[in-house]
Amino acid sequence: EAGVAQSPRYKIIEKRQSVAFWCNPISGHATLYWYQQILGQGPKLLIQFQNNGVVDDSQLPKDRFSAERLKGVDSTLKIQPAKLEDSAVYLCASSLVGGLLNYGYTFGSGTRLTVV
Amino acid sequence: AQKVTQAQTEISVVEKEDVTLDCVYETRDTTYYLFWYKQPPSGELVFLIRRNSFDEQNEISGRYSWNFQKSTSSFNFTITASQVVDSAVYFCALSGEVDTGFQKLVFGTGTRLLVSP
Repeated sequence: EAGVAQSPRYKIIEKRQSVAFWCNPISGHATLYWYQQILGQGPKLLIQFQNNGVVDDSQLPKDRFSAERLKGVDSTLKIQPAKLEDSAVYLCASSLVGGLLNYGYTFGSGTRLTVV
Repeated sequence: AQKVTQAQTEISVVEKEDVTLDCVYETRDTTYYLFWYKQPPSGELVFLIRRNSFDEQNEISGRYSWNFQKSTSSFNFTITASQVVDSAVYFCALSGEVDTGFQKLVFGTGTRLLVSP
């Protein structure tokens, strides 16, 4: 079974620029999550999709972050404009149905964003 | 609110030593799940174990073992006879609100384990 695919692997941008990350979950996984992991911290949920609907985006900074999951499959996370504090690893994860019927979640390798 | 505390920021051991990583959690849910993940230098989060709140049996998987105690809200992880390949950051995580079928993982801050030869 193919894992969760994320791209790019690394990205360096200047502050105030925009950036987009892409995630392709495991085939058949209805739930998709974007987590932000700042250096030295645990991952923090930004947004959770169930199919193509948003379940939880309470911790997404909506003034600069946006995410979509068209057709309930792959997803993109965008930051516009980026700030220095957005430097982090952005992890995508997927699960069958909210994680209940799955042994945890499958995470991608992440995109490491550096804002300079 | 749900919270996971990993008080140990970094642990250094010599190969073949046993090491225990502590995890203390807070939740108001009666049904919840606890997880441990390993994050090697490559960055990917590797699933190790999931335990639900109704199953307090300890679990052993090879050199890994987990001790779940609801009375102290702890879910500790022990590596027996540690190896250099065990060097990584280990995260404890909590998931609740299972009745809705929609969960999010709340992570601790992680414990960096360094195993030297």
